[in-house]
Amino acid sequence: AQSVAQPEDQVNVAEGNPLTVKCTYSVSGNPYLFWYVQYPNRGLQFLLKYITGDNLVKGSYGFEAEFNKSQTSFHLKKPSALVSDSALYFCAVRLGGSQGNLIFGKGTKLSVKP
Amino acid sequence: EPEVTQTPSHQVTQMGQEVILRCVPISNHLYFYWYRQILGQKVEFLVSFYNNEISEKSEIFDDQFSVERPDGSNFTLKIRSTKLEDSAMYFCASSESGVGSYEQYFGPGTRLTVT
Repeated sequence: AQSVAQPEDQVNVAEGNPLTVKCTYSVSGNPYLFWYVQYPNRGLQFLLKYITGDNLVKGSYGFEAEFNKSQTSFHLKKPSALVSDSALYFCAVRLGGSQGNLIFGKGTKLSVKP
Repeated sequence: EPEVTQTPSHQVTQMGQEVILRCVPISNHLYFYWYRQILGQKVEFLVSFYNNEISEKSEIFDDQFSVERPDGSNFTLKIRSTKLEDSAMYFCASSESGVGSYEQYFGPGTRLTVT
């Protein structure tokens, strides 16, 4: 069965420092991987995706994520965190080539302090 | 930038009542989805919809649930007889294509509280 794990419930970072939000996945084929962000009282907002090609993908607001097939990971990163990055981050997977639904991780709360 | 919209933002209902949650997907999108998130738990897939019929549904989407696209813009989720465990945030999403590489765009959600 497909699954996504986000091992950290919360990540705390000081403003200006690099941040990493971890995600690992389990699928039986080639995955399509996504990161979404949820601000308070807002819907899930698409950040970036990995489909194929370069393992480092860049997305909105300076975020990037690195696909690592051997470690089955897709960690979200940003070189310099902003207080405004504080939100709930969700990793999601979909089996490559499918038209199926997204499978989400449980979410990681990112808190960036000034 | 086009957005998925959902109404109402919060719905309170009594157990056994019917509720209809409404969504307006992005206008040129063809695939529509409902997900739900029980407080403190994962976002879970309920159903996908294309060309006026259900494409896929999860185990959660039982006979109490139905979806409809009553006109060219709205996409609705109906729960016929609500249970306490239906209390959750319900998200509507749409995508331009059903191909797996296309991202889904989510609405802000409707918080359903069943008392």
